Amino acid sequence: DAGVIQSPRHEVTEMGQEVTLRCKPISGHDYLFWYRQTMMRGLELLIYFNNNVPIDDSGMPEDRFSAKMPNASFSTLKIQPSEPRDSAVYFCASLQGPPGTEAFFGQGTRLTVV
Amino acid sequence: SQQGEEDPQALSIQEGENATMNCSYKTSINNLQWYRQNSGRGLVHLILIRSNEREKHSGRLRVTLDTSKKSSSLLITASRAADTASYFCATDAWGNQFYFGTGTSLTVIP
Repeated sequence: DAGVIQSPRHEVTEMGQEVTLRCKPISGHDYLFWYRQTMMRGLELLIYFNNNVPIDDSGMPEDRFSAKMPNASFSTLKIQPSEPRDSAVYFCASLQGPPGTEAFFGQGTRLTVV
Repeated sequence: SQQGEEDPQALSIQEGENATMNCSYKTSINNLQWYRQNSGRGLVHLILIRSNEREKHSGRLRVTLDTSKKSSSLLITASRAADTASYFCATDAWGNQFYFGTGTSLTVIP
């Protein structure tokens, strides 16, 4: 398996534009996590899915953020409208349950909102 | 909210020395994991220790866990320049969320 694949690797967009980040988890993994990393706040858990169902989205900063997982091999994180303070590196991670197993991370998407 | 807090925030040592970093967390956990992040890359899993374990070894890594103090330490022995990275602890407390600390930035000077 190629690991967790995220796209794009880099995204530069103007304030107010819609941004969609994509993630392909490792085949067979039933949990998927979205994290945001900034210097100020470190790694923040935004949302996680189990068997394609969102379980906890309490970390999503506001209504401008939404995430979907239409099937076991694909997830999206959307920001609409984007703001400069959304600039960060967004990571997707997946793991195969049961709880307490190793999570595998993608390489991240570096988002810059100007 | 973040579960773990690592200290020190930054650590600089000479190659060959040992590096110790600590993690404190807030609530009861099922297990604790350590991850490494090289600059500009994703996180890579290093080692996992379960709440009923006190110490675990993997190569040059030694992890301890003290659940009474809600703390863990990661020791890297005989450090190498390639160990230069940020190190994070991660805990799962409520189901399968992983909460990460703020990380320790380790620099190993050749």
